[in-house]
Amino acid sequence: GQSLEQPSEVTAVEGAIVQINCTYQTSGFYGLSWYQQHDGGAPTFLSYNALDGLEETGRFSSFLSRSDSYGYLLLQELQMKDSASYFCAYTGRRALTFGSGTRLQVQP
Amino acid sequence: DTGVSQDPRHKITKRGQNVTFRCDPISEHNRLYWYRQTLGQGPEFLTYFQNEAQLEKSRLLSDRFSAERPKGSFSTLEIQRTEQGDSAMYLCASSPPGTVNSPLHFGNGTRLTVT
Repeated sequence: GQSLEQPSEVTAVEGAIVQINCTYQTSGFYGLSWYQQHDGGAPTFLSYNALDGLEETGRFSSFLSRSDSYGYLLLQELQMKDSASYFCAYTGRRALTFGSGTRLQVQP
Repeated sequence: DTGVSQDPRHKITKRGQNVTFRCDPISEHNRLYWYRQTLGQGPEFLTYFQNEAQLEKSRLLSDRFSAERPKGSFSTLEIQRTEQGDSAMYLCASSPPGTVNSPLHFGNGTRLTVT
């Protein structure tokens, strides 16, 4: 079948580093994306990995291992505004399939 | 770039009524997607258009749901004979021409409440 698994909640303190893991199972895989969604807001694109390895965009990095069907999002120097839900999503043949999301709470 | 626009923002309807939502994508984007999201869950794929052609429809989508994109610009999503289980946020997204990897740009959604 097709599925993604990610932790439901993560809590961290301001200034810390947090890693959100994602495992997936699918046939027909093109890449793994990460989206951020604040409460009441729209999902917004953060990063995309098509190949194995680490992609860095400012404080956010994303990693993919295709052989392990695994990826993670790394958030560094956490800020209060990073409190949001984070979704991994894989690109199949046509449309993006999202996981259930990880709710990140950043505490002072 | 004015972003993806959805109308209305909120809709309250009684069970059994029909509802229609509208989505205006970013103007240069030829791909348009409809997703549904319930509290605590990720967006669930409903259907996808490339220009005016509906290329994919989720098998989870019942026959009460229909979507159109008549001129390859705006799109409408209609739900007939609404049920309480249809209560959710309906999200529209668009992406530009190119690879399937193009990021999706989401609108703020239409929140449907069926009473």
